[in-house]
Amino acid sequence: GAVVSQHPSWVICKSGTSVKIECRSLDFQATTMFWYRQFPKQSLMLMATSNEGSKATYEQGVEKDKFLINHASLTLSTLTVTSAHPEDSSFYICSAREDYTGELFFGEGSRLTVL
Amino acid sequence: QQQVKQSPQSLIVQKGGISIINCAYENTAFDYFPWYQQFPGKGPALLIAIRPDVSEKKEGRFTISFNKSAKQFSLHIMDSQPGDSATYFCAAERWGAQKLVFGQGTRLTINP
Repeated sequence: GAVVSQHPSWVICKSGTSVKIECRSLDFQATTMFWYRQFPKQSLMLMATSNEGSKATYEQGVEKDKFLINHASLTLSTLTVTSAHPEDSSFYICSAREDYTGELFFGEGSRLTVL
Repeated sequence: QQQVKQSPQSLIVQKGGISIINCAYENTAFDYFPWYQQFPGKGPALLIAIRPDVSEKKEGRFTISFNKSAKQFSLHIMDSQPGDSATYFCAAERWGAQKLVFGQGTRLTINP
């Protein structure tokens, strides 16, 4: 089946630094990718929709200057958490919608811990 | 209107038993209903999905039952195994609308 690779799978950083998370569709093209945040024992919360070649669409309450999204190619979207603080610690998950079938595939997630 | 309500929040089933998780939706424009399985520290994985033109879909031990008039759908896991212990999420979307709406999740534990 289609594979979505997320990197890094876990990262620890100091407060005030920026962290970049990559999401790659390995064997298919994805014009649209999604970024989610998941807190322990909770459901996935959609943060933003990433469209190749255009600006991301952010959900209400999500700071676009805090969570920078870039979708520069049909197989890669990146999420940068800028000036990270401990409250940004969370599990971040991306998904990619295959252009040909429309099916959605999820990455393995990235655990961010901000000290 | 955009919500998908999932129940129960947690479920404990004996090995070999049937696990049943239910979801209800409001938006009649939804036309794609997937179920995802998530293990701790991992991303969700598509388990099985259904469209409203059929009332039931079966893949191995997993079955989705769909009731369009009641706006409900459920996941049945037959012969539940300890390896099925995970969190299950139902979801719904209007195909092509670019936004999947998730249920709250059900933590399933299968006792050996």
